[in-house]
Amino acid sequence: KNEVEQSPQNLTAQEGEFITINCSYSVGISALHWLQQHPGGGIVSLFMLSSGKKKHGRLIATINIQEKHSSLHITASHPRDSAVYICAVPNRDDKIIFGKGTRLHILP
Amino acid sequence: KAGVTQTPRYLIKTRGQQVTLSCSPISGHRSVSWYQQTPGQGLQFLFEYFSETQRNKGNFPGRFSGRQFSNSRSEMNVSTLELGDSALYLCASSLASSYGYTFGSGTRLTVV
Repeated sequence: KNEVEQSPQNLTAQEGEFITINCSYSVGISALHWLQQHPGGGIVSLFMLSSGKKKHGRLIATINIQEKHSSLHITASHPRDSAVYICAVPNRDDKIIFGKGTRLHILP
Repeated sequence: KAGVTQTPRYLIKTRGQQVTLSCSPISGHRSVSWYQQTPGQGLQFLFEYFSETQRNKGNFPGRFSGRQFSNSRSEMNVSTLELGDSALYLCASSLASSYGYTFGSGTRLTVV
């Protein structure tokens, strides 16, 4: 079993829809990262959170430490949100473990 | 302010050769970490350096090595290249591991 599981693997939605991407982890963590990777490889760090909720524009990230679960939400989705979203957590040895990513495609 | 700079952007090498990749972190960032991304394995952690010391290492063979200089710039080296080393190599810098990371654009290495 992977230490970091993301769902869904692929998601296609219409512009304007509310998007939720989930991340479950089995390792103890100090903080969880959400990353965005566009075609071409560039990675952007969206959020780092260790508790509660963070919001940046149309993006919201939540984490439940007790349940070892985090969600990334996108409100009013837009085709430019199409990308791969990856969650990453440090394990007990402080090595970063990545999820396999969720490929999001927003149709105009 | 300038972001994380990785050079070169693209590289083609032959099996058995060695390669050195460079990463210049954001000014003031002392932590530099390296990652390998392949279609089959996804993103995998290679190693992390902080103040010229390797602080953490992923599960890669000894052919993969790195170092960090006093100005925080980092290099990673892969010796005796294999076809399976073809990947996107990303580095990220941070003030410290408990802070968020800023990623570079990566070096795409192709081994033929």
